[in-house]
Amino acid sequence: DAMVIQNPRYQVTQFGKPVTLSCSQTLNHNVMYWYQQKSSQAPKLLFHYYDKDFNNEADTPDNFQSRRPNTSFCFLDIRSPGLGDAAMYLCATSRDGVERTDTQYFGPGTRLTVL
Amino acid sequence: QKEVEQNSGPLSVPEGAIASLNCTYSDRGSQSFFWYRQYSGKSPELIMSIYSNGDKEDGRFTAQLNKASQYVSLLIRDSQPSDSATYLCAVNNGAGNEKLTFGTGTRLTIIP
Repeated sequence: DAMVIQNPRYQVTQFGKPVTLSCSQTLNHNVMYWYQQKSSQAPKLLFHYYDKDFNNEADTPDNFQSRRPNTSFCFLDIRSPGLGDAAMYLCATSRDGVERTDTQYFGPGTRLTVL
Repeated sequence: QKEVEQNSGPLSVPEGAIASLNCTYSDRGSQSFFWYRQYSGKSPELIMSIYSNGDKEDGRFTAQLNKASQYVSLLIRDSQPSDSATYLCAVNNGAGNEKLTFGTGTRLTIIP
């Protein structure tokens, strides 16, 4: 089945220790998104790639970076995690973002704990 | 500031009854509307999408859209305990804009 995969599902890191979360998709979608979601809050868009074009949200801290080496994979790098970065990180994809019927599909998420 | 607002709940509904979830949005240019279901500790799962005024039915779920009132709702008929989750309303404000604006979600509890 075509799907969005995230690894790892659970990540524990130490304060200030860099961490990388990965997302892959078999849907051949052009757009890939990274969201941060904290308890009882809406998913917060950090950035997204439209094909190779990177689009950063204005309020995304510099501590968060992303890479998309090819269509299938996208990575979220947190350079120096703080306690406030503990959250669920969600990857989503959409076909092209052009048609109004375009839909975002989410991966299972990575739960990040910062000690 | 484009906003999507939902009653955070919790909304408690007896098993077998109709659950009604509501969402309002501020951007009149919005064209696409989505309902996602999110179980605790899990990722959002698409339940329904709607693009035109009126009702759209899929099994026990009906989405309703009223663009004049900037209002979208989700009805769940014959509610089951497995419907207990947080329901997120998401809005896309136009074709060519690949970003969604999410509401904070309504927590629904189905009481057996």
